[in-house]
Amino acid sequence: KQEVTQIPAALSVPEGENLVLNCSFTDSAIYNLQWFRQDPGKGLTSLLLIQSSQREQTSGRLNASLDKSSGRSTLYIAASQPGDSATYLCAVRLIYNQGGKLIFGQGTELSVKP
Amino acid sequence: SAVISQKPSRDICQRGTSLTIQCQVDSQVTMMFWYRQQPGQSLTLIATANQGSEATYESGFVIDKFPISRPNLTFSTLTVSNMSPEDSSIYLCSVGRDRESEQYFGPGTRLTVT
Repeated sequence: KQEVTQIPAALSVPEGENLVLNCSFTDSAIYNLQWFRQDPGKGLTSLLLIQSSQREQTSGRLNASLDKSSGRSTLYIAASQPGDSATYLCAVRLIYNQGGKLIFGQGTELSVKP
Repeated sequence: SAVISQKPSRDICQRGTSLTIQCQVDSQVTMMFWYRQQPGQSLTLIATANQGSEATYESGFVIDKFPISRPNLTFSTLTVSNMSPEDSSIYLCSVGRDRESEQYFGPGTRLTVT
């Protein structure tokens, strides 16, 4: 059974700091991995999608890496801003699941202090 | 990308009643999913609702409790039946073109059962 774990559960940093969020998964047979952001009481916003054949994806100040063999992904946020404060979720899509469902981690709650 | 709307955005319901949540997408999509997010928890898939076929339910979720309709490629409903306080959650609709593509989420419906 695929399990997705995110460390740390919560993180508080001062504005301007670079930071790394971690995601690990137990079954390397994934189709792709997606990072999301969730603001309190809101839905999910897709940040980055990494296919299993890719090593990393970049969007603005965000960079996500994927090491499928070791079951790890990281989300790097450069020059953090208070507006980055949110919960960040990673989710994997299993290769043998024809339905395409996502398995989610518990999330990392990020707080960026001005 | 896809723009997804959900109705209602929130509701407070009495125990034993039912609520139907609507999900509308601005473009035709093949894959549509319903997730539940219980307080302080991550997302759990309830069912996959692909147009033209019966909804597929995940372990722990049954059609009598969560009936789903998918009449066309842009619309779906999820009903939460015979509600109890344990059903208090955020219910999220999600869509995807295929397994290789990003999955997008609606803003969610916050349900409180008293």
